[in-house]
Amino acid sequence: EVQLLASGGGLVQPGGSLRLSCAASAFSFSTYAMTWVRQAPGKGLEWVSTISGSGGTTYHADSVKGRFTISRDNSKNTLSLQMNSLRPEDTAVYYCVKHTGTTATTCDFWGQGTLVTVSS
Amino acid sequence: DIQMTQSPSSLSASVGDRVTITCRASQDIRNYLAWFQQRPGKAPKSLINAASSLQSGVPSKFSGSGSGTDFTLTISSLQPDDFATYYCQQYKSYPWTFGQGTKVEIK
Repeated sequence: EVQLLASGGGLVQPGGSLRLSCAASAFSFSTYAMTWVRQAPGKGLEWVSTISGSGGTTYHADSVKGRFTISRDNSKNTLSLQMNSLRPEDTAVYYCVKHTGTTATTCDFWGQGTLVTVSS
Repeated sequence: DIQMTQSPSSLSASVGDRVTITCRASQDIRNYLAWFQQRPGKAPKSLINAASSLQSGVPSKFSGSGSGTDFTLTISSLQPDDFATYYCQQYKSYPWTFGQGTKVEIK
């Protein structure tokens, strides 16, 4: 059974940094693009970043461009999101999501999410 | 960016009812449209991709249709665990964009 276990969330002050990780299992990790989607408390879903299976292609939302970096380690079946210069509006549950194939596909499995709170 | 607009924002329905949710894209996205279900406090679950293809394991009471700019999600015979929020999403181009969600509540 596919599993995506996100970790690394927590409370951080504005301007601080945090690194999220997502451990994947039970599928051929390097074959699939991966994405981070976030959801602010009581709000809808917002796409954050996507990375190709090889890691050679990435996309970031304008709201995080220059502050967040998506990466992956296919040898460890791990997806990461480095978040710098955090703002209160980055407060959200961050979901790790598996695509059905390349970056041109959508997702078919969501992890449980990890909560990031940006507050002083 | 492509804007996705769902209607209604919420609806009340009874167990056994058939409900339809509409999603409209601000430009032609062909069939690059997905639907997700999110129960309270839970991660979203993928229901449909390519506008009408059910994800593996999703019951056939869920169906999707549409192409271009107008799409629908239909749930036949609502059951208690179908009361949730439903989102559409376009993946024709980045940035991915989601509809604002439709909350299906018990009447």
